[in-house]
This record gives sequence, C-alpha cells and structure tokens, in this order.
Amino acid sequence: QSALTQPASVSGSPGQSITISCTGTASDVGSYNFVSWYQQHPGKAPKLLIYKDTKRPSGVFNRFSGSKSGNTASLTISGLQAEDEADYYCCSYARSSALVVFGGGTKLTVL
Amino acid sequence: EVQLVQSGAEVKKPGESLRISCKGSGYTFTDYWITWVRQMPGKGLEWMGRIDPSDSHTNYSPSFQGHVTISADRSITTAYLQWSSLKASDTAIYYCATSDFGAYYMDVWGKGTTVTVSS
Repeated sequence: QSALTQPASVSGSPGQSITISCTGTASDVGSYNFVSWYQQHPGKAPKLLIYKDTKRPSGVFNRFSGSKSGNTASLTISGLQAEDEADYYCCSYARSSALVVFGGGTKLTVL
Repeated sequence: EVQLVQSGAEVKKPGESLRISCKGSGYTFTDYWITWVRQMPGKGLEWMGRIDPSDSHTNYSPSFQGHVTISADRSITTAYLQWSSLKASDTAIYYCATSDFGAYYMDVWGKGTTVTVSS
C-alpha cells in the first residue's frame, strides 16, 4: 500500500482537461511545498513534470499544472493529447524516517 | 547536457552479490544528490534512498535500510547500488536520478537498470 493515494485510472478525450488527485496527510503532502509529479510512458524512465507543488521545469508544456489544497495535491492536464497517455506518479517529502514517498500511480487513457 | 548513464541489465541467482552503477556527466557531480528508485514488474515507483556525492552521506527508506548499500566515487562521477545477497523479490528496474540539495524531487533520470534474480 502506497503512502500517497491516487486514483488507479482516469480517462479523457483529446482536447479535454483531466485532474489527477494525490491524497496524503499533514505529515507529508500537507506539511511542506515538496510535492512533485512524474510522467512515465511504457518502457521509459519517469520524467519530472511538476516540482515544489506548482513549478514546471523548463521544457515541460504549460498544459501541465500542479496545485495543492491541504493534504491533497492535484495534477491538471489541459488540452489532452494522445501522447499524454501514460502513467502519472505524485511524490512528496515525508516528515518521517521514510523521507520521500510516492503515490501508487494513475494510468491516463486518452480516448 | 546533464546525463546519467546506468550500467546494463543483470541476471543473477538468489544469494549472489551485485553492484550496479550510475555515471553522471554534464554537471558538477557533487552539486546534487543521487537518488535510487525501484520499480518492480508492473508496479509503481518506490524511493529507496540517496547519497550526497560530496561526502557520501546517505539517507535510506526504512523499507530498504539494511538490504542495499548506496555509495559513490566522486573521482569518477559514479554512484552505486549494491546487494550482498540477492533475493527473487529484488527483481525490478532500478533508476538513478539527480536531486537538488534541500529539495525532494528527482530531476534528471537515468534509463534504468533491469535486475533479474532467478534460480
């Protein structure tokens, strides 16, 4: 069982927007601005999409955005494209000996 | 260009030892943590631990503490993940990644090393 809870799957049609939630506790997601999000295509290494809750690395499209409210972080993908079909993972600093924890991952299907 | 180049796939038997590597280039190796992440077949990502290459200070997830050893040789800009006695449950892809000091996200990732442990 993962420390952070994500929906197992989400889907959307091209051009639509989807949001993936990531629920933790006051000891991880809710404690500091250290939530990050990763995209992983099959057979590929993960790619950083969002860091420090809302920041986008250079080169990541602005269709990807992060937000947080209390103990729940969210990744929103707007203007869905076929190439967005992938697995998405949230990650957070954890104020415990675990230090860093991941969510279980969400499979995004573009219909 | 910042790159992490990982060693090739390994096939080992239970009880054998193994060390896999991750070589950094295109940046100052001691300016970032090297983090290791496990992905078991068909499963999600798991944070294993990290090392500060400047002084070899390490942090481990409790789930991996005592089961693996993370080390680094800054003279050859290479980090390592090591097992003294492999188990079948160690079968997974292992990724290394850079992490900013004072931050808890993984920026640049290696392509991964597949480790298969089978009798």
